[in-house]
Amino acid sequence: DGGITQSPKYLFRKEGQNVTLSCEQNLNHDAMYWYRQDPGQGLRLIYYSQIVNDFQKGDIAEGYSVSREKKESFPLTVTSAQKNPTAFYLCASSRQGRSSGNTIYFGEGSWLTVV
Amino acid sequence: GNSVTQMEGPVTLSEEAFLTINCTYTATGYPSLFWYVQYPGEGLQLLLKATKADDKGSNKGFEATYRKETTSFHLEKGSVQVSDSAVYFCALLGNFNKFYFGSGTKLNVKP
Repeated sequence: DGGITQSPKYLFRKEGQNVTLSCEQNLNHDAMYWYRQDPGQGLRLIYYSQIVNDFQKGDIAEGYSVSREKKESFPLTVTSAQKNPTAFYLCASSRQGRSSGNTIYFGEGSWLTVV
Repeated sequence: GNSVTQMEGPVTLSEEAFLTINCTYTATGYPSLFWYVQYPGEGLQLLLKATKADDKGSNKGFEATYRKETTSFHLEKGSVQVSDSAVYFCALLGNFNKFYFGSGTKLNVKP
């Protein structure tokens, strides 16, 4: 089936550790995104990438890093500089451009908890 | 700039009641508009969309009409079910392929 796969579903991080969340899509989409969602809250954009080997900071990029070496993959690293990383992380993808059929699709999300 | 404003929740309804969740937007040009639904612990799923003024998106009994004159895209359903309990997000597609989301409205449907 076509879609977006995030892993792991649940992840625990110790203080001072970096952790990486995986996101893979087989929809042949050019654009990929990472959002953070805190309990009972809306979505906040962390990073997005419109094309391979290029990405831009979103609204809350501090303490996070990404790479886009392949079209299908957009991993997110939560670094030790992110002081409050406990949240639900959502990866998404879309086609490029503002065509009328363009839609953003989401993975199932990853829960990150600091222990 | 672009932004989406939707009514605050939670919205609590009895089964078979009529649902309206208000959504208004600010945008340059003519954005595409969307409603997404999120069930507990899951990602967002596309519920419906509309790409131009006066378009009506519909799916699973939900409807929303793109009203350019009032910059609105209100979500409606004639008879809600307990299984409709979820969080609903209104969104728009702006310039540079950026999507803008509202803050979400939680719907609780009681039997």
